[in-house]
Amino acid sequence: EPEVTQTPSHQVTQMGQEVILRCVPISNHLYFYWYRQILGQKVEFLVSFYNNEISEKSEIFDDQFSVERPDGSNFTLKIRSTKLEDSAMYFCASKRGDNTGELFFGEGSRLTVL
Amino acid sequence: DAKTTQPNSMESNEEEPVHLPCNHSTISGTDYIHWYRQLPSQGPEYVIHGLTSNVNNRMASLAIAEDRKSSTLILHRATLRDAAVYYCILRGSARQLTFGSGTQLTVLP
Repeated sequence: EPEVTQTPSHQVTQMGQEVILRCVPISNHLYFYWYRQILGQKVEFLVSFYNNEISEKSEIFDDQFSVERPDGSNFTLKIRSTKLEDSAMYFCASKRGDNTGELFFGEGSRLTVL
Repeated sequence: DAKTTQPNSMESNEEEPVHLPCNHSTISGTDYIHWYRQLPSQGPEYVIHGLTSNVNNRMASLAIAEDRKSSTLILHRATLRDAAVYYCILRGSARQLTFGSGTQLTVLP
């Protein structure tokens, strides 16, 4: 069964460092998402991406965050200068089409900022 | 998106059916009702979704009230692997999902 894969599974970084989290969505999917979940809290939407541009973003997704689809397969989330409060699980998700219901989530990348 | 209300937690015995309720009294006519679950240390996983009619798939059934102000996710025979947080989410025109706190389901052996 096709799946969304994310790397790394866990990254530890120092405050102020740049981090790139990588995702390989399911190959025929057109919509891509990043969510995050701080330990013990809700899953929060960050950004959605379609047709090589951001289609929606939340208040969390400020200038420190960016997303890119550098080739036909990868979808990346960059945090420019990490803060302690960026420590969370980051989930990538993808969806086949606009009218389909199902988002497929990856297993997540745990980011720890020291 | 309209709000949903779910119990914080529920318990079930293994191999018995589980009915997970969700209230969504402010649902609009175009909102789809989605259910996802999140097993420990994993990403959310799609369970089922529907608009007006009851829906069945290999994982679960979704029963939607006639006035659409509530719905129930039915797991026909709970297993230990079904222990998870279950989220009832309304999705309207926005392409993204807004997760609430969900219901923590504990399955007792």
